[in-house]
Amino acid sequence: AQKITQTQPGMFVQEKEAVTLDCTYDTSDPSYGLFWYKQPSSGEMIFLIYQGSYDQQNATEGRYSLNFQKARKSANLVISASQLGDSAMYFCAMRGNAGNNRKLIWGLGTSLAVNP
Amino acid sequence: KAGVTQTPRYLIKTRGQQVTLSCSPISGHRSVSWYQQTPGQGLQFLFEYFSETQRNKGNFPGRFSGRQFSNSRSEMNVSTLELGDSALYLCASSVVPEGTNEKLFFGSGTQLSVL
Repeated sequence: AQKITQTQPGMFVQEKEAVTLDCTYDTSDPSYGLFWYKQPSSGEMIFLIYQGSYDQQNATEGRYSLNFQKARKSANLVISASQLGDSAMYFCAMRGNAGNNRKLIWGLGTSLAVNP
Repeated sequence: KAGVTQTPRYLIKTRGQQVTLSCSPISGHRSVSWYQQTPGQGLQFLFEYFSETQRNKGNFPGRFSGRQFSNSRSEMNVSTLELGDSALYLCASSVVPEGTNEKLFFGSGTQLSVL
């Protein structure tokens, strides 16, 4: 069975500093995708970044980068130069390639607070 | 381009009642999926529809059902509501449900409270 684990229920970071949000996963699928989403208090899930299991390079999207360590089954999100608007819940998710594994599996999230 | 629209935004029901939630996907998106979000369980997959056909279903009782119309709009229905059904129900759309890199676009959700 597929599983996503986010071990940090809450994190604090000072404005303009970098922060790493942890995510580990478990799957038997050789092909899978890993996602990070942000959920502000408004409730809408906002896509941040995607990493494919066969991608050779770590994904980057602006201030977001994904530290993908396949052997360790980890996909940590790094946010550089934190901004006050980054305060939100962050979710790691995974999708397998076929059948029932295609549904997106989610971690329980990390609440990030950016302090001025 | 309008985003995913979910109505209503908030809903209060009592035990035993039924409820219907609506989701309009982004124009051109043909796949719609539904998720239940609670503080204790996190986000759990309910079902996925593509071209009016249910492609995938999560581990929820038969009280939870859904459908998709020819214009890709989707509804989900919960019958005989229980207190534990109180949750944020999120709808997401994508162009087509293919590949591991399919990116989902979410609505703001419907907050359902069952009293």
